[in-house]
Amino acid sequence: GENVEQHPSTLSVQEGDSAVIKCTYSDSASNYFPWYKQELGKRPQLIIDIRSNVGEKKDQRIAVTLNKTAKHFSLHITETQPEDSAVYFCAASLSGGGADGLTFGKGTHLIIQP
Amino acid sequence: EAGVVQSPRYKIIEKKQPVAFWCNPISGHNTLYWYLQNLGQGPELLIRYENEEAVDDSQLPKDRFSAERLKGVDSTLKIQPAELGDSAVYLCASSLTTNEQFFGPGTRLTVL
Repeated sequence: GENVEQHPSTLSVQEGDSAVIKCTYSDSASNYFPWYKQELGKRPQLIIDIRSNVGEKKDQRIAVTLNKTAKHFSLHITETQPEDSAVYFCAASLSGGGADGLTFGKGTHLIIQP
Repeated sequence: EAGVVQSPRYKIIEKKQPVAFWCNPISGHNTLYWYLQNLGQGPELLIRYENEEAVDDSQLPKDRFSAERLKGVDSTLKIQPAELGDSAVYLCASSLTTNEQFFGPGTRLTVL
């Protein structure tokens, strides 16, 4: 089955700086890659996703890049703000449509230092 | 539009007792998922339903876990008997066939 590795497990950055979280996946058949943000005690919420037919997607301060050959994808957050502090999970799906169950990474605890 | 609803939000039981969790997906979402999230970990899929059919239950420990989705809407996940290691957050999610998965708030289970 699919295996998703996520790094780092904890990331501390100064407010206003950029943050990058990286994930690798094992199954070359995976073609849907969402990123979820989870605040303490809250539900995971989708912040951005990318499908395998594109290499990059951007939404305001958030961007995701995908390298299918190397089987890795990354989340980029620019101009970080205190409200960006949370745990971020990457995930992969075999179907490409997101309808299949997702395989998640172990999460990155992002800390924004004031 | 209401989100995914789960109940109860918290449950504390003693080991060997049964427990059940309920999920009401977003109206019109045909696909429903149950995930288990251990502390400090990402969610892990337990079972996926397409309408009322369980299409992927390969990760569901069938000796003690069971699930149903009668009429293809609400779903119930049951554990009988519960073990100490079952303490976790149980998340329900739903989606339209090819779109993003929306998660519920989860049920935090503590087994004593």
